[in-house]
Amino acid sequence: DAGVIQSPRHEVTEMGQEVTLRCKPISGHDYLFWYRQTMMRGLELLIYFNNNVPIDDSGMPEDRFSAKMPNASFSTLKIQPSEPRDSAVYFCASRLASANTGELFFGEGSRLTVL
Amino acid sequence: GNSVTQMEGPVTLSEEAFLTINCTYTATGYPSLFWYVQYPGEGLQLLLKATKADDKGSNKGFEATYRKETTSFHLEKGSVQVSDSAVYFCALGTSYDKVIFGPGTSLSVIP
Repeated sequence: DAGVIQSPRHEVTEMGQEVTLRCKPISGHDYLFWYRQTMMRGLELLIYFNNNVPIDDSGMPEDRFSAKMPNASFSTLKIQPSEPRDSAVYFCASRLASANTGELFFGEGSRLTVL
Repeated sequence: GNSVTQMEGPVTLSEEAFLTINCTYTATGYPSLFWYVQYPGEGLQLLLKATKADDKGSNKGFEATYRKETTSFHLEKGSVQVSDSAVYFCALGTSYDKVIFGPGTSLSVIP
């Protein structure tokens, strides 16, 4: 069975440009999480969805960040406009509702560099 | 509130050495505890878990015991290999769908 699939794996863009990161969770998983990882701040939860509905977006740093989950097999994280401080690795993770809270499956991440 | 504290790295060990990475937590209620591993350029993978006090999680030669009295979940391995070089995250599962991750401990194993 395929794992969590993220794209692109690497993105280099210039300040002010729009960035869209994509995630396909594991089929049948009910929860989807977006995390950001940086050296300074570690792993931060940005937002998570349950059955495609956003449950908690309190970790989204600013209005420049938005996330959607139009269906059970696809989610996007958008940054508009991007800034150099947004440079990080962004991870998507999914989980079954019946699994333990901590049993997440992570994608390989999207490394974003904003120049 | 809920939080996880890990020993700071980086940790450098010779192959076949004994590994301990300390983890302590603060939580309300009775959380589940986890260790995740992140190899270079990859996402996090669940390494082991323990869901109640005195449980021992184990996988790939790694072990950790859920100690409620000391609020600890230390990761151990008897003989590390070069292939164990990675970043290790202690994590706590809350009752609110969220997982609280520690800051991570980087391990380098040299031949």
